[in-house]
Amino acid sequence: NAGVMQNPRHLVRRRGQEARLRCSPVKGHSHVYWYRQLPEEGLKFMVYLQKENIIDESGMPKERFSAEFPKEGPSILRIQQVVRGDSAAYFCASSEQSSYNSPLHFGNGTRLTVT
Amino acid sequence: AQTVTQSQPEMSVQEAETVTLSCTYDTSESNYYLFWYKQPPSRQMILVIRQEAYKQQNATENRFSVNFQKAAKSFSLKISDSQLGDTAMYFCAFMKQAGNNRKLIWGLGTSLAVNP
Repeated sequence: NAGVMQNPRHLVRRRGQEARLRCSPVKGHSHVYWYRQLPEEGLKFMVYLQKENIIDESGMPKERFSAEFPKEGPSILRIQQVVRGDSAAYFCASSEQSSYNSPLHFGNGTRLTVT
Repeated sequence: AQTVTQSQPEMSVQEAETVTLSCTYDTSESNYYLFWYKQPPSRQMILVIRQEAYKQQNATENRFSVNFQKAAKSFSLKISDSQLGDTAMYFCAFMKQAGNNRKLIWGLGTSLAVNP
């Protein structure tokens, strides 16, 4: 069974460009979480999605950031007009259910560098 | 709001010895979960151990065990017989047990180096 797959592993963008980060959850998982890890900091929650629905986006900046988890295909975290402060590692986690006994599986992250 | 504090930015231990990483948290919730995650240089976030707040018994997973003090809001991780492969960042995390949003609140991490 493949785990959570995130791609690309590394992404370099110039200021003003768009960044698209992809997360393919574990097969059969319908719950996806995105976290951001800034240098020298822990992870910060960004958004929680279920298939076709955003459940909680309280940790995601209101501007330039958006996320989706379509019925088919991976979850996408999109950052428009990137700035240097967006440079971070972005992690995706998935679970089969919202039950607390259903473990969270993390991907290896995408490291975004804005030049 | 919940907060998680890891007061030791860096620690080191000799191979085969025991080390304890500290974590304190602040919450008004009575039902919640606590976790320790390991992040090696590969950057993957790996669950080490998990504790349900309603359980008084401390969780153990092989060489890893916790000292959970609910009243003191303390959740330390003990690694016994440290191995070189234990070298990693260790994050303490909190999840409140409410609704179906399993949002984690993270500490800033402790960088652990196991020396040969």
